Amino acid sequence: NAGVTQTPKFQVLKTGQSMTLQCAQDMNHEYMSWYRQDPGMGLRLIHYSVGAGITDQGEVPNGYNVSRSTTEDFPLRLLSAAPSQTSVYFCASTVARRGPSTDTQYFGPGTRLTVL
Amino acid sequence: GQQVMQIPQYQHVQEGEDFTTYCNSSTTLSNIQWYKQRPGGHPVFLIQLVKSGEVKKQKRLTFQFGEAKKNSSLHITATQTTDVGTYFCAGREAAGNKLTFGGGTRVLVKP
Repeated sequence: NAGVTQTPKFQVLKTGQSMTLQCAQDMNHEYMSWYRQDPGMGLRLIHYSVGAGITDQGEVPNGYNVSRSTTEDFPLRLLSAAPSQTSVYFCASTVARRGPSTDTQYFGPGTRLTVL
Repeated sequence: GQQVMQIPQYQHVQEGEDFTTYCNSSTTLSNIQWYKQRPGGHPVFLIQLVKSGEVKKQKRLTFQFGEAKKNSSLHITATQTTDVGTYFCAGREAAGNKLTFGGGTRVLVKP
């Protein structure tokens, strides 16, 4: 299993540009999330999905869109990039939350995004 | 909303010494998870605690969940240079199921 994969690894955008960060997992996990991590800070939840066709907002959703058409893929779209969105973006997946014992989050390697 | 605080934010440790990092939640938790992130890497799951007062050990790491299920600690004995990184706790709310990460404790080891 490849686990959680993210592309691209690095990206530089100009203000106002749009782009999509890709995330895929091959573990048949139902629950997927997007986090952003700013320098020296923790992880803040952007959007999450509890299964195909179902998405919801996290703590910092503004400026981002998500969709979940398949169990495997959970892309994050930046609509109009701003310098405040310069960050490292992590995608994570976990088994369906049937109980606390199945709650482990598996993180992808991250996408380092700079918006000029 | 739920808040999860970690202290200290930074921990400079002499190699061979022990240290403890603490995690406190504003709400009661159904479980707490700990992750380690090496510099330039991604968070990697270490352990999950579910029961009130639970204590789990992984080699030199000891994890504890408070009796009230609102706080947790990670104690590392005989620190090694391989312990360098940021340790995050993440608490799952008992009501509402929201998972919130703490700000992390960044550990630097002096050889």
